[in-house]
Amino acid sequence: DQQVKQNSPSLSVQEGRISILNCDYTNSMFDYFLWYKKYPAEGPTFLISISSIKDKNEDGRFTVFLNKSAKHLSLHIVPSQPGDSAVYFCAASALISGANNLFFGTGTRLTVIP
Amino acid sequence: ETGVTQTPRHLVMGMTNKKSLKCEQHLGHNAMYWYKQSAKKPLELMFVYNFKEQTENNSVPSRFSPECPNSSHLFLHLHTLQPEDSALYLCASSPPDPPSSYNEQFFGPGTRLTVL
Repeated sequence: DQQVKQNSPSLSVQEGRISILNCDYTNSMFDYFLWYKKYPAEGPTFLISISSIKDKNEDGRFTVFLNKSAKHLSLHIVPSQPGDSAVYFCAASALISGANNLFFGTGTRLTVIP
Repeated sequence: ETGVTQTPRHLVMGMTNKKSLKCEQHLGHNAMYWYKQSAKKPLELMFVYNFKEQTENNSVPSRFSPECPNSSHLFLHLHTLQPEDSALYLCASSPPDPPSSYNEQFFGPGTRLTVL
């Protein structure tokens, strides 16, 4: 059963506008949430994270919001740029046997239109 | 060379072949992971090694056999695979400290495997 869900497989946004990517999770034991970005022919690269004790984390154009009661997080990119076009994966982290285990969503393909 | 590297980048094999995927990390990390990414599915964790000891198996079929000879190298040995095993296989590593679940994982570029 999927513990992390990204219900939108794709999103198109005009350059300069805001991109909002959503993610839902089911396990309340997750204590960190991360967003990864993936370009074709490359592995996912870490973008931004948030601890479960916070509700917002900002890094430049990227902001992640966490709503624990709704088990929902979102990534906001503003302003969106064509170079942001990629697949974005939401992940939730749990420490299991001394190593962090990440549970991923299926990804959302973002296309920023120039 | 820095980061996480994987070889080969592409692999085509028959169902009776035996092949191995290799992962190498030069980041001083102690934990290494194998993930499988099939089309329209989330990344699935297959194996976790922490300080060279396997800690998670996640019910992966025995036709996949991991090996971690040291903290910098990870292999995935493949034998008698099925066409449905065709996928992108990603290796990742994470640092030892601090000991919390917030340890960013660094991914390699993956091996695109096709089983005929």
